Amino acid sequence: KAGVTQTPRYLIKTRGQQVTLSCSPISGHRSVSWYQQTPGQGLQFLFEYFSETQRNKGNFPGRFSGRQFSNSRSEMNVSTLELGDSALYLCASSLGSTQETQYFGPGTRLLVL
Amino acid sequence: DAKTTQPPSMDCAEGRAANLPCNHSTISGNEYVYWYRQIHSQGPQYIIHGLKNNETNEMASLIITEDRKSSTLILPHATLRDTAVYYCIVRKTSYDKVIFGPGTSLSVIP
Repeated sequence: KAGVTQTPRYLIKTRGQQVTLSCSPISGHRSVSWYQQTPGQGLQFLFEYFSETQRNKGNFPGRFSGRQFSNSRSEMNVSTLELGDSALYLCASSLGSTQETQYFGPGTRLLVL
Repeated sequence: DAKTTQPPSMDCAEGRAANLPCNHSTISGNEYVYWYRQIHSQGPQYIIHGLKNNETNEMASLIITEDRKSSTLILPHATLRDTAVYYCIVRKTSYDKVIFGPGTSLSVIP
């Protein structure tokens, strides 16, 4: 079974631009979570989607948004990019029921110049 | 804040068992203990999880104390490829907001 895939793997943007990252979960998984990882803050939870609905949200500004499609694929968008948004963005998928293991993708490395 | 505390770093000789401790003294009765590892900037890799019984799989063993306030991840025969940051987290459900701490950086030394 194919794992979680994320595209693109690397991205360079400039301040003020916006970016959209994509995540395809493992087949059959209905929950997708997004995380930001930086050297200073570590791994931080952004939000989680299940059946096209946001089910949980971390403490990030409204510039960070996401959505999930009917096929469980998810996208996250960051608007008005800041230098501090440079990070590894990870998504993880799970079946979505009460106690299921999350499996992570390889991440998208975003550099904001 | 993370619900777990782990030593920031550990060394282990290749071929020996690596024992990684985790303290989760405020764990509640329906929270599971999960272990992940992250090898240099790759996505975290699931290792093992448990509720109160000890667990073993092909990668590792998880020993949870009877009071559930701490646990130990055991890699029975560490190899150089086990060099990674190991994260211990607690969570109730798959949609809980997961809070990762800084983890333990394990270096396996030849």
